[in-house]
Amino acid sequence: DTGVSQNPRHKITKRGQNVTFRCDPISEHNRLYWYRQTLGQGPEFLTYFQNEAQLEKSRLLSDRFSAERPKGSFSTLEIQRTEQGDSAMYLCASSLDPNQPQHFGDGTRLSIL
Amino acid sequence: KQEVTQIPAALSVPEGENLVLNCSFTDSAIYNLQWFRQDPGKGLTSLLLIQSSQREQTSGRLNASLDKSSGRSTLYIAASQPGDSATYLCAVSLNQAGTALIFGKGTTLSVSS
Repeated sequence: DTGVSQNPRHKITKRGQNVTFRCDPISEHNRLYWYRQTLGQGPEFLTYFQNEAQLEKSRLLSDRFSAERPKGSFSTLEIQRTEQGDSAMYLCASSLDPNQPQHFGDGTRLSIL
Repeated sequence: KQEVTQIPAALSVPEGENLVLNCSFTDSAIYNLQWFRQDPGKGLTSLLLIQSSQREQTSGRLNASLDKSSGRSTLYIAASQPGDSATYLCAVSLNQAGTALIFGKGTTLSVSS
C-alpha cells in the first residue's frame, strides 16, 4: 500500500493560466474523490469517480474545472483561466467501498499570483 | 442542507490530560461518520470510521462515539501526548451511492510537554 500520491505538491501560476493536477489512488481502490480546502476550513467536495465514471459533481465545480479518470486509474483535475479565488489546497482521496475510510493524499497547493 | 460543526475551534492542554472533541451535524440521516487528523501542510489521516448503525469505535488511545438521533459525535483522546498536536476533522457521509464527505472546520489541538 503506497498511499495516495498527488503531483505536483505546489503550483504557482499567474491569473488566467491553465493548470493540471494529477492523483494516483491506492491501486485497488475503485472510488476516487477530489476536494478543495482553504485556510481554516474543512475540505469541500468537488467530484467523485467510480472506476472511470464521474458520478457526482458539486456545484462548486464551475465550467472552468474538469476532471477525468481514464481507464479508472489515475485522475487529473484541470482548472482553466485560473482566478485568485482558485488559490487553495486540492486534495485527492480514494476508497475501496463506502464502508471503508477515504484515504487522502498530501494535496497540491495552488497559488495564483 | 447538512452542516457539520466542531467545538471548540482550538484547544490547548498539558501532556497527559484526557480530552474530548465535539462534532455535531444537522441532519441525522447519515451513512457513516469519520474522524481525521491533519498535520500542517499535509493531507488527512483517517482515525476512526463509525457506521450509522454503530455507537462507538476504538483505536488505541482514541475512542469515537456516535449518537445519530441527537446529531452528535465525540472523539475522546486518552493520556494526550505532544505528538497528538494537530487539527482534528469530523466528516459525515450522506449516502452509500455518492459518499461525498461533508466536513466540519476542525478543532486545532495543542498538547504541551
